[in-house]
Amino acid sequence: RKEVEQDPGPFNVPEGATVAFNCTYSNSASQSFFWYRQDCRKEPKLLMSVYSSGNEDGRFTAQLNRASQYISLLIRDSKLSDSATYLCVVTLSGNTPLVFGKGTRLSVIA
Amino acid sequence: DAGITQSPRHKVTETGTPVTLRCHQTENHRYMYWYRQDPGHGLRLIHYSYGVKDTDKGEVSDGYSVSRSKTEDFLLTLESATSSQTSVYFCAISVQGGGNTEAFFGQGTRLTVV
Repeated sequence: RKEVEQDPGPFNVPEGATVAFNCTYSNSASQSFFWYRQDCRKEPKLLMSVYSSGNEDGRFTAQLNRASQYISLLIRDSKLSDSATYLCVVTLSGNTPLVFGKGTRLSVIA
Repeated sequence: DAGITQSPRHKVTETGTPVTLRCHQTENHRYMYWYRQDPGHGLRLIHYSYGVKDTDKGEVSDGYSVSRSKTEDFLLTLESATSSQTSVYFCAISVQGGGNTEAFFGQGTRLTVV
């Protein structure tokens, strides 16, 4: 079983839509959780960290459910510029290597 | 961009030849990583380093070696390139601050083995 699993999509949504991505992880010892964004032919960049209490950054909301080993990302009022691949990432702690899901591709359509 | 540069950015090489990719950072971060990214597999860890001359294997280390003789440079070597090593290679560093850790990536190296 892959350590981090995501629905690969693609998710094709109209501008202004709300879209949610989910991710599950297999290692219950995982301590840190992130969503990264990767544009086509570019390097991944941190979108946001994910905390147990849930956290919000503008139109983006991330949630963590440790009991179910489940992470989610909600994007409200989608923009064309949100089109990208979203990578779910976990790590045991601190500087231990990041473990990536395969990514979920989002296309926001005008 | 956290001062990470990868070189070369693109390379085409022949099967059986040795290839070295370089990752250079300017901010003296201790932890550095090499990943490869392939369609259908996502990013997979090849090797990582936690200090000068301190390295460890990742998930897909076979066919690769690394060296870190100084803090700023982390080299990835394909001793004898194979077509299965055609991929996009990303170097990353991890930065701790504010109680959290963030990874920054180089722009990637597109390697084609023919």
